[in-house]
Amino acid sequence: DGGITQSPKYLFRKEGQNVTLSCEQNLNHDAMYWYRQDPGQGLRLIYYSQIVNDFQKGDIAEGYSVSREKKESFPLTVTSAQKNPTAFYLCASSIVGGQGATDTQYFGPGTRLTVL
Amino acid sequence: AQSVAQPEDQVNVAEGNPLTVKCTYSVSGNPYLFWYVQYPNRGLQFLLKYITGDNLVKGSYGFEAEFNKSQTSFHLKKPSALVSDSALYFCAVRDRNQAGTALIFGKGTTLSVSS
Repeated sequence: DGGITQSPKYLFRKEGQNVTLSCEQNLNHDAMYWYRQDPGQGLRLIYYSQIVNDFQKGDIAEGYSVSREKKESFPLTVTSAQKNPTAFYLCASSIVGGQGATDTQYFGPGTRLTVL
Repeated sequence: AQSVAQPEDQVNVAEGNPLTVKCTYSVSGNPYLFWYVQYPNRGLQFLLKYITGDNLVKGSYGFEAEFNKSQTSFHLKKPSALVSDSALYFCAVRDRNQAGTALIFGKGTTLSVSS
């Protein structure tokens, strides 16, 4: 899991609540990513950020929001608009080395979110 | 559009036998290819990647993968499986001209090694 931490490990949310998942990295990586993992569906991209104060939507951004105020941190908020938020959420980071650079992504340990 | 296919949901192997986990890909340009492993309730661990050059890539824990451009495949292999290799394996791809963008992952293959 390298130098990437995610908290909490387990999170329970009531219907209608917003919750925020934390992701911090000390690898000095420019790029950070949020993925959602559901059984049998692999990983799907929610948001990613290549630089502070900038981020892009992924394939399933609806119902989620992010911020990137610091290079080390990329918190994900799961809003009440997300219809089915129960899943395993994974954060990753990588360098952004320019064209041709091999930006291997390194993952945190994940947060399991359950809606009660 | 980029995509990755892992045609087998599960692969069963006896300990000591060779194992193969299959992956095929589709990208518009030249690919960077990756394999990751995930143990239950854990994050993904990087195993190996193909950049360029030698088509046989060696990675962690005795795993290797063979890049085949004509077949657009990147199968993961190990000569002798261990029970501890039992886990979920993901293949991923990125167009090498799109630095800093997210990887495209396959749906994963569960490897079960029996003793």
